[in-house]
Amino acid sequence: NAGVTQTPKFQVLKTGQSMTLQCAQDMNHEYMSWYRQDPGMGLRLIHYSVGAGITDQGEVPNGYNVSRSTTEDFPLRLLSAAPSQTSVYFCASSRRDEQFFGPGTRLTVL
Amino acid sequence: GESVGLHLPTLSVQEGDNSIINCAYSNSASDYFIWYKQESGKGPQFIIDIRSNMDKRQGQRVTVLLNKTVKHLSLQIAATQPGDSAVYFCAENEGGGNKLTFGTGTQLKVEL
Repeated sequence: NAGVTQTPKFQVLKTGQSMTLQCAQDMNHEYMSWYRQDPGMGLRLIHYSVGAGITDQGEVPNGYNVSRSTTEDFPLRLLSAAPSQTSVYFCASSRRDEQFFGPGTRLTVL
Repeated sequence: GESVGLHLPTLSVQEGDNSIINCAYSNSASDYFIWYKQESGKGPQFIIDIRSNMDKRQGQRVTVLLNKTVKHLSLQIAATQPGDSAVYFCAENEGGGNKLTFGTGTQLKVEL
C-alpha cells in the first residue's frame, strides 16, 4: 500500500490564483481530513470527511473548498490564494481513530 | 475556545536518558488523546494513544500518562535515542471521528 499520497510536494502561487491540492489513500479509510501547519505551530483542521459525499468544516475553513466523490480521493481547492494561506498542508485518513498522514504540500503564496 | 497546549517548547536530553514531554488540555469533554512524532519535512507519525477511561498506556519504549483531574497528558520515552529527535505533538478528540485538536509541539533534541 502507498498509504496517503499528496501532490504536489511544493507549489508557488501568486495572490488571486486558484489551485487544487491532491490527496489520495489506498487503505479504504472512511475518514479523511485536511490540516494546515504554520511555522512553530501545531496542525489546524481545515475540512474533513466521514465518507464519500460527506464533508464538513473544521477550525479554519475559510478560503478552501473540498469534495469527496470517491473513498480514495479528497482534493482541497484554494479559490483565490492569499499570502495568509502560505503554509504546509497535510492530508490524513483513518478508519476510526488513528490518523495516517501524508508527506505534505508546501505552499507559498506571493 | 478550547485548546491543547504544551509547557515546554524545547527539550534537550542526553542519549540514553528518559524523556518526558508534557501537554495540558482544556476541553474536559475530550475522551481520546494521541501523541504524534514529526520529523523535519515529514508528516506526523502516530506514536501512542489513550482513552479517557485509562490513566496509563505503554508501548515500545513509550508510555502515555493521563491525569484527567488536572487535564494533563505526558509522553515518556525510555532510553532516548538520536532517532527520537523530532517535534512531538499531543492531540485530543471529543466523541470520536477525525476532528483532532493539536497542541503547538515540543522539539526534542537528543545530545550524544
